[in-house]
Amino acid sequence: SQTIHQWPATLVQPVGSPLSLECTVEGTSNPNLYWYRQAAGRGLQLLFYSVGIGQISSEVPQNLSASRPQDRQFILSSKKLLLSDSGFYLCAWRVTGGRAFFGQGTRLTVV
Amino acid sequence: AQSVTQLGSHVSVSEGALVLLRCNYSSSVPPYLFWYVQYPNQGLQLLLKYTSAATLVKGINGFEAEFKKSETSFHLTKPSAHMSDAAEYFCAVSERTGNTPLVFGKGTRLSVIA
Repeated sequence: SQTIHQWPATLVQPVGSPLSLECTVEGTSNPNLYWYRQAAGRGLQLLFYSVGIGQISSEVPQNLSASRPQDRQFILSSKKLLLSDSGFYLCAWRVTGGRAFFGQGTRLTVV
Repeated sequence: AQSVTQLGSHVSVSEGALVLLRCNYSSSVPPYLFWYVQYPNQGLQLLLKYTSAATLVKGINGFEAEFKKSETSFHLTKPSAHMSDAAEYFCAVSERTGNTPLVFGKGTRLSVIA
């Protein structure tokens, strides 16, 4: 069966520090991978998606970047965090036209 | 471009009452439609999906939704609310082909009053 792992579950980071959130998928190959951010009252904002290794589409220009070094690995990064980067980050995968499967999320608090 | 509008950021119902969460979509191509539920500090779980078979879709936990093309709607219903239904609900749309991501609505928080 397919599973998705996302870590860490919670993270508190100071302003200006770097960020690395990792997401891995098991049980499928060549998935479409997504990073969403959820802020209170704003629903799910798509940040990045990837249809293959090294292929990243950015939906919102901002302080974050994403990479896909392996088929089932998706990493969200920042060189210097801002207060506005706080939120709940969700990784997801889907095959073309199918349902999306979500990780358990990372609660990031920038202080 | 596709979009989803969820009417009402917060809905409150009494236990045992009908649940109705509204979703309208916009899509230039025939869509797939989804409803997801999110409990606090967790990821999203799929409730149900419409993929062009029956227009009335039954999901988990007693929820169902009806695809109405003429109204561009995909409202979520449950005949009798339980306390455990209190959560945030998201409607989403995607194209049937291609790699475009799911587009989500802003969500509706459902409260159930005893």
